[in-house]
Amino acid sequence: EPEVTQTPSHQVTQMGQEVILRCVPISNHLYFYWYRQILGQKVEFLVSFYNNEISEKSEIFDDQFSVERPDGSNFTLKIRSTKLEDSAMYFCASSSDTAGNQPQHFGDGTRLSIL
Amino acid sequence: GNSVTQMEGPVTLSEEAFLTINCTYTATGYPSLFWYVQYPGEGLQLLLKATKADDKGSNKGFEATYRKETTSFHLEKGSVQVSDSAVYFCALSDLKLVFGKGTKLTVNP
Repeated sequence: EPEVTQTPSHQVTQMGQEVILRCVPISNHLYFYWYRQILGQKVEFLVSFYNNEISEKSEIFDDQFSVERPDGSNFTLKIRSTKLEDSAMYFCASSSDTAGNQPQHFGDGTRLSIL
Repeated sequence: GNSVTQMEGPVTLSEEAFLTINCTYTATGYPSLFWYVQYPGEGLQLLLKATKADDKGSNKGFEATYRKETTSFHLEKGSVQVSDSAVYFCALSDLKLVFGKGTKLTVNP
């Protein structure tokens, strides 16, 4: 069964550094998402992406964050200048239709640790 | 805005016990409802879904019924196994997914 893959599985970065989290969604999917889960808290929506542009973003997704689909297969999340509070598990998801009609398929996540 | 309230955990059961994890939601309109499961060290996996009122989602012995009148989507399983130990998330669709806080289930042999 096709799956969403995320790399790296764990990223350790110094505060203030840039980090790029990578995702390869399922190949025929059109909708892409990033979520994050701070340890012990709920999974929170960050951003959705469709047709090469952001379709929705949360309050968390401020100017430090950006997303890109550079080559038609990878979907990346960039954090420009990381803060301690960015430490979390970041999940990528994709779906063939909007969330109500088709389920989102999640990757195993990237654990981001900011020192 | 839309939100999901889920039973606080952790929940600890013995094998073959009956499981209920409560979930209620607040939403405008009629969202689709989901249960996702997260096994240790893994990502979120869709367990079951229901797209309209009175629909029952089921998978791997788990069931949940979309109750519009009580705005609920409680997860049930008649006889849990050790392998069901995981964190369970209730969620609704709002173009994006809105999740509850998760309920950690531990099943002891």
